[in-house]
Amino acid sequence: NAGVTQTPKFQVLKTGQSMTLQCAQDMNHNSMYWYRQDPGMGLRLIYYSASEGTTDKGEVPNGYNVSRLNKREFSLRLESAAPSQTSVYFCASSEFIGWTYEQYFGPGTRLTVT
Amino acid sequence: SQQGEEDPQALSIQEGENATMNCSYKTSINNLQWYRQNSGRGLVHLILIRSNEREKHSGRLRVTLDTSKKSSSLLITASRAADTASYFCATGPQGPSQGAQKLVFGQGTRLTINP
Repeated sequence: NAGVTQTPKFQVLKTGQSMTLQCAQDMNHNSMYWYRQDPGMGLRLIYYSASEGTTDKGEVPNGYNVSRLNKREFSLRLESAAPSQTSVYFCASSEFIGWTYEQYFGPGTRLTVT
Repeated sequence: SQQGEEDPQALSIQEGENATMNCSYKTSINNLQWYRQNSGRGLVHLILIRSNEREKHSGRLRVTLDTSKKSSSLLITASRAADTASYFCATGPQGPSQGAQKLVFGQGTRLTINP
């Protein structure tokens, strides 16, 4: 099992450009999440999808859109990138089994907006 | 805004010593989790403690939770060089979640184990 995969690993954008970050999981999890991590900070939730066909805003959704393409894939789109969106982006997935809320994280995408 | 405050922000100890990290949070929780992040990598789940539990063990890890003080601690015993990483607490909120957990992370403690 690959777990959670993310593409690309690195990306440099100019202000105003758009891009889509891709995430896929092969663990048959229902829930998927997008976080951003800024230097010296913990992760902040951007958007999440509790199950296929649903998406909801997290703590910092402004400037982002998401698509839950199917049960495996959850993409994050920046329509018009801004320098404030320079960050490392992590995708995660989870399945609620009993009391297990463990989230599994991808390796991250390091995005720089100039 | 961050839910958790972690203390200390950085900790450097000798191999073999114990490491203790603390986490405080603000609102009522369903559970509290600890994650590890090695440099340049994603987070890895270490341990979860439910709001009705006071202490939990997993290998060399011991987690305590005091809901009256809204605080938790993570103890790593007999530390090893491989434990060098950042450690984050994350709180899972009370209330219906539709199966998803909107975790709120602290800023993390950067732990360095010196050989």
